[in-house]
Amino acid sequence: RKEVEQDPGPFNVPEGATVAFNCTYSNSASQSFFWYRQDCRKEPKLLMSVYSSGNEDGRFTAQLNRASQYISLLIRDSKLSDSATYLCVVDSSSGGSYIPTFGRGTSLIVHP
Amino acid sequence: DTAVSQTPKYLVTQMGNDKSIKCEQNLGHDTMYWYKQDSKKFLKIMFSYNNKELIINETVPNRFSPKSPDKAHLNLHINSLELGDSAVYFCASSTDRGAHTDTQYFGPGTRLTVL
Repeated sequence: RKEVEQDPGPFNVPEGATVAFNCTYSNSASQSFFWYRQDCRKEPKLLMSVYSSGNEDGRFTAQLNRASQYISLLIRDSKLSDSATYLCVVDSSSGGSYIPTFGRGTSLIVHP
Repeated sequence: DTAVSQTPKYLVTQMGNDKSIKCEQNLGHDTMYWYKQDSKKFLKIMFSYNNKELIINETVPNRFSPKSPDKAHLNLHINSLELGDSAVYFCASSTDRGAHTDTQYFGPGTRLTVL
C-alpha cells in the first residue's frame, strides 16, 4: 500500500508567525497532490492543489519536491482562523483509477 | 443549497443491526466516494463510483455494500454492525476520475456509534 505521512503536531504558533508543514509520500508515480483543511467536527475542504512548479494563494504557498517525494505547505502571517487540521492528499494509484490517499493530518493551533 | 448532503447526521445503534447512510450530490459530478474517519482522525477511502459503476473497493469487509441508483446518489449499507465500525463516514464527489486533478467536495459526515 502506498503511504502518505504527516507529522500530527500540534504546531502551536502565535498570530503573525510563519509555519510550514511537510507531507512525505511513497508513490513515485503519483501525479496529483492537494492540501485540504479540516476544522474540528467538520468535513475536509480543499485548500489548494500543489503544482510541480509550486504555487501560491495569498498567505499560502505549496511546493512539490519530487526527488525527495514530499509536498509542503507554508502559511505566512498566521491568523487565529487558520487553526485547523491540514491534510495532504496524494494519488496512490500506479496509473489506473485515481486513488486519493489522505495523510493523517497536521494540527495547527494559532494563539493570540 | 447543500452541494453534498448526507443523512442521517448522527446514527446510534446496537451491535448486529443493519443500517444505511444516504448521500446525494447536486453538483452534476460523475464520481462519488465513501470515506471512513476513525477516532484517530485517519481518513481512509472505502469506495469510489463513477457513473454508477464501482471503480475502487479498498479492502472493505463485505458487510459494507455501496449502492448507486444514479450518478447523483451513493448510499452505504452496513450489515451486522460491529463496535469497530464506529466512526465518521464522509461521502464526497468529484468531477472526473481520469485527470487526476479532481477536487473532492465532501458531505458533512455521518457520525456512527455502535453500542
